[in-house]
Amino acid sequence: DADVTQTPRNRITKTGKRIMLECSQTKGHDRMYWYRQDPGLGLRLIYYSFDVKDINKGEISDGYSVSRQAQAKFSLSLESAIPNQTALYFCATSDLGNTIYFGEGSWLTVV
Amino acid sequence: GIQVEQSPPDLILQEGANSTLRCNFSDSVNNLQWFHQNPWGQLINLFYIPSGTKQNGRLSATTVATERYSLLYISSSQTTDSGVYFCAVHRDDKIIFGKGTRLHILP
Repeated sequence: DADVTQTPRNRITKTGKRIMLECSQTKGHDRMYWYRQDPGLGLRLIYYSFDVKDINKGEISDGYSVSRQAQAKFSLSLESAIPNQTALYFCATSDLGNTIYFGEGSWLTVV
Repeated sequence: GIQVEQSPPDLILQEGANSTLRCNFSDSVNNLQWFHQNPWGQLINLFYIPSGTKQNGRLSATTVATERYSLLYISSSQTTDSGVYFCAVHRDDKIIFGKGTRLHILP
């Protein structure tokens, strides 16, 4: 089983719809992240969380919200999806100062 | 914030060739990682290398933290090496990525 699992892996949704991307990890790490990847722009940080009660905005948090339901679970929501949120989304975990581990990514298309 | 620049942005090589990818960063960092993103989008850890040199098969990496750069070497390239290579730096509890180097290995 993968250390970091994302669901769904692929989703097409309509403009204005709410969508949630879920992430769970079995690494036992406190730190979890959501990144977005667009062609030619690398990965950009949306939100990050250092424990269940600690959630922080990244560089592109507008239009997104997150929930850290447990140490192992971190979900990303698009309250009202728009086409320019079409991207590949990654969840990741890390322990303090150590390697970051990524999920396999969630392809989201907003039409 | 810290800037991470990778070069070259694109690289096309014949199978069997060697290559060097570079990552420059604008400020001191706590740690640095190299990743390979395969054509299916998966991100694979290659090296965790805050300083020094590491080798893993045909790949090796060197980070010179005092001069704020890291190099990834790929020897005897294979078509399966194709994809995008990212470096990511750890700074102030954040992990910042470069825009990547897209590598095409031709058979």
